[in-house]
Amino acid sequence: GENVEQHPSTLSVQEGDSAVIKCTYSDSASNYFPWYKQELGKRPQLIIDIRSNVGEKKDQRIAVTLNKTAKHFSLHITETQPEDSAVYFCAAGGGFKTIFGAGTRLFVKA
Amino acid sequence: GAVVSQHPSRVICKSGTSVKIECRSLDFQATTMFWYRQFPKQSLMLMATSNEGSKATYEQGVEKDKFLINHASLTLSTLTVTSAHPEDSSFYICSASYRSDTEAFFGQGTRLTVV
Repeated sequence: GENVEQHPSTLSVQEGDSAVIKCTYSDSASNYFPWYKQELGKRPQLIIDIRSNVGEKKDQRIAVTLNKTAKHFSLHITETQPEDSAVYFCAAGGGFKTIFGAGTRLFVKA
Repeated sequence: GAVVSQHPSRVICKSGTSVKIECRSLDFQATTMFWYRQFPKQSLMLMATSNEGSKATYEQGVEKDKFLINHASLTLSTLTVTSAHPEDSSFYICSASYRSDTEAFFGQGTRLTVV
């Protein structure tokens, strides 16, 4: 069935460094790729998304890239801050349902 | 963004009893809602897709008689955990979106503890 793989599962960076999280998907029908941030005890919140007709999108310190041919998409966070520490989920949607990756626990050390 | 409200946020029940969890879209009509289960430090595992006015679509390995889903209106879906056992203890969270190619709005989740 449809699958989304996400790496790494845990990522620790120093404040100010960049963080990159990568995902691959299997469903060719997917055309919508959102990223969600889940802080401890809270619900996931959308932080950025990209559609299949776009290769890259940026919003301040956050950027997402998409390689539809290779079925890869990535989240880039620059100048990380302690408040970026959370679990990040990628997802692939556009078919009947949205499939989530396993999540990446990001630690930003001050 | 749109608001999805989930109730209750926490529930403790005895083994063998049933628990109902509600998921409401407060300011939009959601023809489709999704129910997830999340284990500690793990991802969101899709349990089922709830369609208004029709039967829910369950993911492989999810017992439909165990996890009853009802989507009676465009703003309300319910998940009933029947004959709950301690292994059903988990964090259950719903989401709703206009379409699968748009943002999903999540409820605040329900932490179920079965004792």
